[in-house]
Amino acid sequence: DTGVSQDPRHKITKRGQNVTFRCDPISEHNRLYWYRQTLGQGPEFLTYFQNEAQLEKSRLLSDRFSAERPKGSFSTLEIQRTEQGDSAMYLCASKSLAGVVNEQFFGPGTRLTVL
Amino acid sequence: SQQGEEDPQALSIQEGENATMNCSYKTSINNLQWYRQNSGRGLVHLILIRSNEREKHSGRLRVTLDTSKKSSSLLITASRAADTASYFCATVINQAGTALIFGKGTTLSVSS
Repeated sequence: DTGVSQDPRHKITKRGQNVTFRCDPISEHNRLYWYRQTLGQGPEFLTYFQNEAQLEKSRLLSDRFSAERPKGSFSTLEIQRTEQGDSAMYLCASKSLAGVVNEQFFGPGTRLTVL
Repeated sequence: SQQGEEDPQALSIQEGENATMNCSYKTSINNLQWYRQNSGRGLVHLILIRSNEREKHSGRLRVTLDTSKKSSSLLITASRAADTASYFCATVINQAGTALIFGKGTTLSVSS
């Protein structure tokens, strides 16, 4: 097991384009989280899944954002009609319900730049 | 929105010195965690302290929690250059709550 992986690591896109990020959690981790981190700030929660069910979404997750975890394994985060304000690091984390309470394991992130 | 604030925002020390970072938060919590983020790397969990605990140790790390003041501190003893990173406190509001709520972080620079 190599930890949480994210792809791509970097994405540069033009305003108005759609982008999709992928997260592969630690195998057998039930919960998967998405966070967004802007420069100089701590990560902010976007949404989380327990297995394939999306159980919570923050107000930060506008209608242009959609996340899926179709088979309860990897997850995708899509941003439609990107805006410059979407530029940020998008972090994925996973957690086992059997593990230390609320300890989450983070991936390296996908850095999005919207021109 | 972010739960808390770390203090100081930036800290520069020499190798071998101790580093202390503070975190204040706004609402009652179930537990508080500290994470480290190196440049170009993801966040790494360091230590968790529950709301009914006052102090916890892990290697060179010492965490305290004062729920009456809604504050926590992280002490790194005998710092090393490899400790250079950003440090974030993260809170969990209740046992059913799952999202971590992070502060803005303290950037620690340890020079040799």
